[in-house]
Amino acid sequence: DAGVIQSPRHEVTEMGQEVTLRCKPISGHDYLFWYRQTMMRGLELLIYFNNNVPIDDSGMPEDRFSAKMPNASFSTLKIQPSEPRDSAVYFCASSETSGFTDTQYFGPGTRLTVL
Amino acid sequence: SQQGEEDPQALSIQEGENATMNCSYKTSINNLQWYRQNSGRGLVHLILIRSNEREKHSGRLRVTLDTSKKSSSLLITASRAADTASYFCATDQFSTLGRLYFGRGTQLTVWP
Repeated sequence: DAGVIQSPRHEVTEMGQEVTLRCKPISGHDYLFWYRQTMMRGLELLIYFNNNVPIDDSGMPEDRFSAKMPNASFSTLKIQPSEPRDSAVYFCASSETSGFTDTQYFGPGTRLTVL
Repeated sequence: SQQGEEDPQALSIQEGENATMNCSYKTSINNLQWYRQNSGRGLVHLILIRSNEREKHSGRLRVTLDTSKKSSSLLITASRAADTASYFCATDQFSTLGRLYFGRGTQLTVWP
């Protein structure tokens, strides 16, 4: 398996623009997670899905952020409009229900810079 | 918060020395995991220890778990420069199946 795939790997945009991050989880995994990592705040869970259904979006910073999972093999995280404070590395991770093991597999991340 | 807390925040050692990192958490768990993150990369799972286990080994890694103290330690023996990375502990929680709670990590630097 190719692992979790994220695109783009790097994104530079100007404040106010819409940004869409994409994720393809590992085939067969039923959980998908979106994280954000910054030096100041560490690794933050934004939202996670189980069987394509959002379970907890309490980590989404504000209404400018939205996430979708239209099918088991694809998810998007959208920021509209983007702001400089959104600059961070965004990770997607997936896992499969297997008793209580919950091991997560992370993608390489998308480094977002908002100017 | 269930989030684990690693200690120390940063650790600097010479090649060949052992590195010990600690993790504390607040509520009961099913299992605890350790992850590694190389600079600019995603996190990679290293090892999982279940709540009914006290010690687990994987190559040069040794993990201990003390559920009475709600703490865990990760020992890397005979460290190498390639072990330089951030190390995170992650715990689960009974009420939120599937979710993990990550700490802020320990930055390990191994000097050749």
